[in-house]
Amino acid sequence: DIQMTQSPSSLSASVGDRVTITCRASQSINNYLTWYQQKPGNAPKLLIYAASSLQRGVPSRFSGNGSGTDFTLTISSLQPEDFATYYCQQSYSAPRTFGQGTKVEIK
Amino acid sequence: EVQLVESGGGLVQPGGSLRLSCAASGFTFSIYYMAWVRQAPGKGLERVANIKQNENEKGYVDSVKGRFTISRDNAKNSLYLQMNSLRAEDTAVYYCARETSYYGYFDYWGQGTLVTVSS
Repeated sequence: DIQMTQSPSSLSASVGDRVTITCRASQSINNYLTWYQQKPGNAPKLLIYAASSLQRGVPSRFSGNGSGTDFTLTISSLQPEDFATYYCQQSYSAPRTFGQGTKVEIK
Repeated sequence: EVQLVESGGGLVQPGGSLRLSCAASGFTFSIYYMAWVRQAPGKGLERVANIKQNENEKGYVDSVKGRFTISRDNAKNSLYLQMNSLRAEDTAVYYCARETSYYGYFDYWGQGTLVTVSS
C-alpha cells in the first residue's frame, strides 16, 4: 500500500496568515492526489483534486501543487472558517490511502 | 442536489454483525463507483471498501477482508456494507462516499453513521 505522510501534524496560525501543508507519498503517484477539509462533527469536504484542480465552489485562496511524491496545499490568507483538519489522499493505486491529517488551529 | 444518507449504525457486541445502508439521490447512481470510508474516534480517514458500477469489481482494505462485504442495488439507488465478526477496532463513523472513476477521489459524502463495537 502507498503510505501518505503529512506535515506538520498540527499548526497554529492567525487570520490572514499564509499556510502551507505538505503531503509526501511513499512512491510516485503522478498527480493522483486529493485534498479534503474536515470540521468537527462533519464529513470531509473535497477541496482539490488531481493535485491542483480546485473543486467547484471552493474559494480561490486554496491552491494545490506538486507531482510525483511531494505535494502542497496552500491557503493564501487564512480565514476564520478555514480552521479545520486537512487530509490528503492518493488514488494512484488501490487501496486508496489518506494522510494522517493536519489540524489547523487558531493562534 | 446530491444526497447520501447512511443508516444502520449502532452498538454491537464483539463478534456480532451489522448491515449499513446508504440511500443515494440527486444523481445517476448506477454510473458511479461508490465507497465506504470510516473514521475511528479522534483518528484519520480509512477507505474500507469500494465497488464498481455493476458490482463486478470490489476492493477492501486488508483489515476487513473476509469479514465485510460491500454491495449495491442500482434499482434502489442504494449501497450496503455487511459487517460480520466485528471487533473493537471497527468502532468508527462510517461514511458513504461517491467515488469518481477517472481520478478516484470522493466528491460527495454522507453525514456518517456511528458503529460502536463493545461488550
